[in-house]
Amino acid sequence: GESVGLHLPTLSVQEGDNSIINCAYSNSASDYFIWYKQESGKGPQFIIDIRSNMDKRQGQRVTVLLNKTVKHLSLQIAATQPGDSAVYFCAENEAGNQFYFGTGTSLTVIP
Amino acid sequence: DAGITQSPRHKVTETGTPVTLRCHQTENHRYMYWYRQDPGHGLRLIHYSYGVKDTDKGEVSDGYSVSRSKTEDFLLTLESATSSQTSVYFCAISDTSGRSVNTGELFFGEGSRLTVL
Repeated sequence: GESVGLHLPTLSVQEGDNSIINCAYSNSASDYFIWYKQESGKGPQFIIDIRSNMDKRQGQRVTVLLNKTVKHLSLQIAATQPGDSAVYFCAENEAGNQFYFGTGTSLTVIP
Repeated sequence: DAGITQSPRHKVTETGTPVTLRCHQTENHRYMYWYRQDPGHGLRLIHYSYGVKDTDKGEVSDGYSVSRSKTEDFLLTLESATSSQTSVYFCAISDTSGRSVNTGELFFGEGSRLTVL
């Protein structure tokens, strides 16, 4: 099976600082990746995605970096806010087959 | 927010009883999925549907069945619930399978928490 993991299960950052959440994947054929945010008691919410023909994609306050050489994905959140506190996880997909999800990193923003 | 409604949101049942979870969408998306979420595991696919009456198994399908008689509804049934099926169940929808050059984004419902005693 696939292996999508996160380097750190928990992350605490000061409000206003930048956050970096990492994800390692094992399937070198994966060509589509998504970052999700999940708040307590809620369903996962799409943040940003990236395809394997790109190495960087930016959204509003978020940037996803993809390093296919080492099979690593990261999510950068700029100027982290209390509302960013949640569990973040990545998902990978190969050629439209099923998604495989990481277990998640819990981000806590300290006011 | 994508129009996805899961019901019930919370259920407690006893081992051996049947349970049906319902997912209703208003987006007219072709693909619908059932996942379970457990501590220490990422979301795991139970079953999915690629059209009315077209369904297939995911990686953890044992003990579960599904039905899709209408585009908007996808039912997950536990014929005889076991304690190992205690979990949070999420329905997701997508308008592509991910094969498209467009986004293959999954939209998730709010989850159904099932406890099997």
